[in-house]
Amino acid sequence: GAGVSQTPSNKVTEKGKYVELRCDPISGHTALYWYRQSLGQGPEFLIYFQGTGAADDSGLPNDRFFAVRPEGSVSTLKIQRTERGDSAVYLCASSPPPAGGTDTQYFGPGTRLTVL
Amino acid sequence: AQSVSQHNHHVILSEAASLELGCNYSYGGTVNLFWYVQYPGQHLQLLLKYFSGDPLVKGIKGFEAEFIKSKFSFNLRKPSVQWSDTAEYFCAVNADDYKLSFGAGTTVTVRA
Repeated sequence: GAGVSQTPSNKVTEKGKYVELRCDPISGHTALYWYRQSLGQGPEFLIYFQGTGAADDSGLPNDRFFAVRPEGSVSTLKIQRTERGDSAVYLCASSPPPAGGTDTQYFGPGTRLTVL
Repeated sequence: AQSVSQHNHHVILSEAASLELGCNYSYGGTVNLFWYVQYPGQHLQLLLKYFSGDPLVKGIKGFEAEFIKSKFSFNLRKPSVQWSDTAEYFCAVNADDYKLSFGAGTTVTVRA
């Protein structure tokens, strides 16, 4: 089957604009994760969904960032009033049930966000 | 919160050379350990993982890693690299939960 897909692959926006980044996990995977990778760094955890609910959003940097997963499959990461510091690659990953610490997380190709 | 340190930012070596990438983590409790790889133009994929049992773990493409609990280390090794091993390698840890903490990554360049 298909892997994790993310759209768009690239997004260029202006400071202050609103953006939405989409993630389509592997079919049947109940756990979904968002990470952010800045240049020269490893991915940093943002938020974790188990089904439709955000089980842990402790990595979201501030209230401009929000994510939803209304039907327990596709997820959208939403960033309001973008800032230049938000420029990064946003990665999505999913893992199959039952969710736990030993699970392999399957990553998508990422969305490269550039805020001018 | 746990942190992960990868010792080398960029490693350059010739084909058939041996490779060892260092990874140390800071967390005193139970951990699960992972090495992910990102080949040029591709997404992150799992090389190997450790969560219990034999501390010497074998992964795909001839890679292995050894968990040394007393040293808080999980170093990655490959006895003889190929040009196709050129990639970025990330060590990651979770405290027996879902939240991965990644190191900054090591870029490996293998010269033919």
